This record gives sequence, structure tokens and C-alpha cells, in this order.
Amino acid sequence: QVQLQESGPGLVKPSQTLSLTCTVSGDSINSGRYYWTWIRQHPGGGLEWIGSIYYTGSTSYNPSLKSRLSISVDTSRSQFSLKLSSVYAADSAVYYCAAYTAYDACIDSWGRGTLVTVSS
Amino acid sequence: EIVLTQSPGTLSLSPGERATLSCRASQTVTYTYLAWYQQKPGQPPRLLIYGASSRATGIPDRFSGSGSGTDFTLTISSLEPEDFAVYYCQQSTTSPPLTFGGGTKVEIK
Repeated sequence: QVQLQESGPGLVKPSQTLSLTCTVSGDSINSGRYYWTWIRQHPGGGLEWIGSIYYTGSTSYNPSLKSRLSISVDTSRSQFSLKLSSVYAADSAVYYCAAYTAYDACIDSWGRGTLVTVSS
Repeated sequence: EIVLTQSPGTLSLSPGERATLSCRASQTVTYTYLAWYQQKPGQPPRLLIYGASSRATGIPDRFSGSGSGTDFTLTISSLEPEDFAVYYCQQSTTSPPLTFGGGTKVEIK
């Protein structure tokens, strides 16, 4: 398992871009063992997969968010990042970064999560 | 997109009782791509089961998973106080998108 830590603003104004970064430790982000993943959870709600990135930069996005979404990886800093543009109130949620292992087809490590509120 | 439907929404049980949680898929899920997670308030989810029936590292053997095709089950053989939480199933047979069920809350009766 790896350790993951989210960072970024907790408050974003409507129509602006939500930006979060996840720092990976305990394993090399280049190991190839994981797809680095973002998941969100609305207050009192369930889990929604946002998208994933492999260390090569190959991405996979949730079709419902794809038009507003960009996920990138910086292997030199052991970080991967999320940018969600044109946000509105419904994007308010706890955002988790996570490590999805394709070998076992599951998420075996999660960050603690960060609450992002979209409000003016 | 494969939709996962979990039932019941809430399960009210006493410590020591057996819990049976269901996860039904809208299409066939390859068993190797079905996982279960436990989430407690204020915490991220924790992996319990992967490959439909394999326990993750450190998970007690009172937790077991079974099923195939479109019907999967998580069983907790005898509830401990720390098991009262919300449980989610997840599939990645067809990804994107990776999808989760809506969750089952196991509460103390």
C-alpha cells in the first residue's frame, strides 16, 4: 500500500477551476503498479469515480465530467493533479485521491480526503 | 455503464448477528473485477474484499465475499461493534467508468 495526501483550496467560486494535488509516498509513482485515481463523495452521498492516470500520462475519465476534467502526473514530484473547470455548487464534495491496482482491480490505498466547497 | 444496486439500503442488526449485503449489477461483472469497501464517518473507504471473494490484508475472516455474474454478496458472520458502518461494492469490468453501488448502512439495532 501507498500513502496519499490531497492538497488544495477548500473553497472555489462558481465558474472557476477546482485544482487539487495528490502527493504519493511509500512507493514510486513510476512503479507501474497503480492507476492514480480521483474519487469524490457528495455530503451524505455515495462514491463517484472522477478519473485515473497511469504514470505514462495515459488517462481515463468519467464521461459525465470529461468535458471539464483534466488529470495530470508529475513523476519528478511524485504527484498527480486534478483540474475541474467551470465548477458549480453540485461539484461541492469530499475529494479523495486513491491508488487503483489493475492486478487486483481494486483501490487498496486512499488519501484522507479534502472537502471542497463551491460558493461565492 | 454498469449500474450496481445495493440492498438493503439500511440493515439494523445487533452485535453478534450475521449480516448479508447484496450487490446486483445491471450487466455481467467479471468476478475478478468486483470489490467491497467499508467506510466509517469522517474516514476514507477501506478495502475489504477484492476479486469478489479475496480478503484484503488485515481483514478479519468474519468478512467473506461471494457471487458471480450479476449477483454478489458480502457476509459478516458475527457483527463486532466496529463493523457498524457503510459498505460499498465497486466494479471495473467495464471502465471507464469504474462504478460504485449506492451503499448499505449497517446500523446497531
